[in-house]
Amino acid sequence: NAGVTQTPKFRVLKTGQSMTLLCAQDMNHEYMYWYRQDPGMGLRLIHYSVGEGTTAKGEVPDGYNVSRLKKQNFLLGLESAAPSQTSVYFCATRGPSYNEQFFGPGTRLTVL
Amino acid sequence: AQKITQTQPGMFVQEKEAVTLDCTYDTSDPSYGLFWYKQPSSGEMIFLIYQGSYDQQNATEGRYSLNFQKARKSANLVISASQLGDSAMYFCAMRALSRGGADGLTFGKGTHLIIQP
Repeated sequence: NAGVTQTPKFRVLKTGQSMTLLCAQDMNHEYMYWYRQDPGMGLRLIHYSVGEGTTAKGEVPDGYNVSRLKKQNFLLGLESAAPSQTSVYFCATRGPSYNEQFFGPGTRLTVL
Repeated sequence: AQKITQTQPGMFVQEKEAVTLDCTYDTSDPSYGLFWYKQPSSGEMIFLIYQGSYDQQNATEGRYSLNFQKARKSANLVISASQLGDSAMYFCAMRALSRGGADGLTFGKGTHLIIQP
C-alpha cells in the first residue's frame, strides 16, 4: 500500500521544454489535486479532479494542463516550461470525507 | 474566496515549553474545515489536526490541540511539551465545505518553528 506516489522526484528542464508529472494513488479515492509550493509560500492549488474523466481549475492554473484518464492517476503537464514554474509540486488525494487530504512526497522541478 | 494569515514567520522555543502558532482565516462560507500540517526539512506534508467549523469541541491529537475561536476567526495550533523533532515549517489551511466553489485547500505562508535544547 504505497498511498500517493509522484514521478519523478526531481527534474531539471530548459525553458520551452515540455514534461508530464505523474501522480498515482492506490486508495481508490475520487478526489485528486495538484499544488505548487514556492519558497516562503504555502501550497497553492493548480488543478483538481473530482473523478475519472473530470478536471477543474484551481487558484494558479495558467501554463499547466491536467488529465485524469484513469481513476488512480492524475497527470500534470507543462507544455512550454518557464523559469516561473520552478517549484515543488505536490499531489494530494482524498476520499469522501472532508477532513482529510493525503499528500505525495513532492516533485522538485527547476526550469533554467 | 478564502484567506489564511499566519503572522509569525519564525519562532524560537525552548525544548519542553508549550508553543502556540497563530492562524487567522477569512471566508464567507458558513461551513468550513481547518487543517494544520507540519513540513520538516525533508519536505513531506504531515497532517497534524483538523477542526470543522461546526465542531463543538476543540480538536486534540496527542500533543497537538487546536484553539478554535470562531467569532475571532482564529485557529491556533498548540503544541504541548515541545521536542527537538518538532522543528519544522507549520502550515494552517482551510477548505470550504459548501458546494459551488473550487475544491482543495487554501494555505497560509507558514511559520518556521525551531526548538532549542
